[in-house]
Amino acid sequence: AQSVTQLGSHVSVSEGALVLLRCNYSSSVPPYLFWYVQYPNQGLQLLLKYTTGATLVKGINGFEAEFKKSETSFHLTKPSAHMSDAAEYFCAVSEDNYGQNFVFGPGTRLSVLP
Amino acid sequence: EAGVVQSPRYKIIEKKQPVAFWCNPISGHNTLYWYLQNLGQGPELLIRYENEEAVDDSQLPKDRFSAERLKGVDSTLKIQPAELGDSAVYLCASSTAGEPLTQYFGPGTRLLVL
Repeated sequence: AQSVTQLGSHVSVSEGALVLLRCNYSSSVPPYLFWYVQYPNQGLQLLLKYTTGATLVKGINGFEAEFKKSETSFHLTKPSAHMSDAAEYFCAVSEDNYGQNFVFGPGTRLSVLP
Repeated sequence: EAGVVQSPRYKIIEKKQPVAFWCNPISGHNTLYWYLQNLGQGPELLIRYENEEAVDDSQLPKDRFSAERLKGVDSTLKIQPAELGDSAVYLCASSTAGEPLTQYFGPGTRLLVL
């Protein structure tokens, strides 16, 4: 069965600094990978997803992630943090393109300091 | 277009009482998911519906949890009787047959069992 680990339950960056949130997965088949963001008292919102093709995926709000098969990683980055980026970020994996067996990581809380 | 609607947003009950949560997915979305999100963790799938059929309920604790989606549109998740450990956020999500990997989440129902 697939699984997801996110290194660092809490990450703090200064406004304008690089954001790097780490995600590693395990999967017995080529995975489909996702990043979701959750603002306080709200549901999850899809930031970006990797299915096939280009390994560098661009998402909303200036975020991007790169699928590295050799490292089983899908780290999320943003060149310059904004105060509005403060939220909880979840990495997820699916082993098929039907949405079955969707597994979320434990999440990383991002704080942005002024 | 309205998003996924959930009600109530908050619920406080005493242990051993029953409770029900309601979800109305985005119009035209045939797949509906119920997730459990414990504090500080990622969502965990409870049940997935394709139209009115429950196609994955392997993680649903069937001794006390039940769900229905009678007409393939809105859905109800019930707990009877509730236990202290059921305190969590219950999230509903939906997706279309054409894009099963893009799930749209509701704001969730936060349950507190006293």
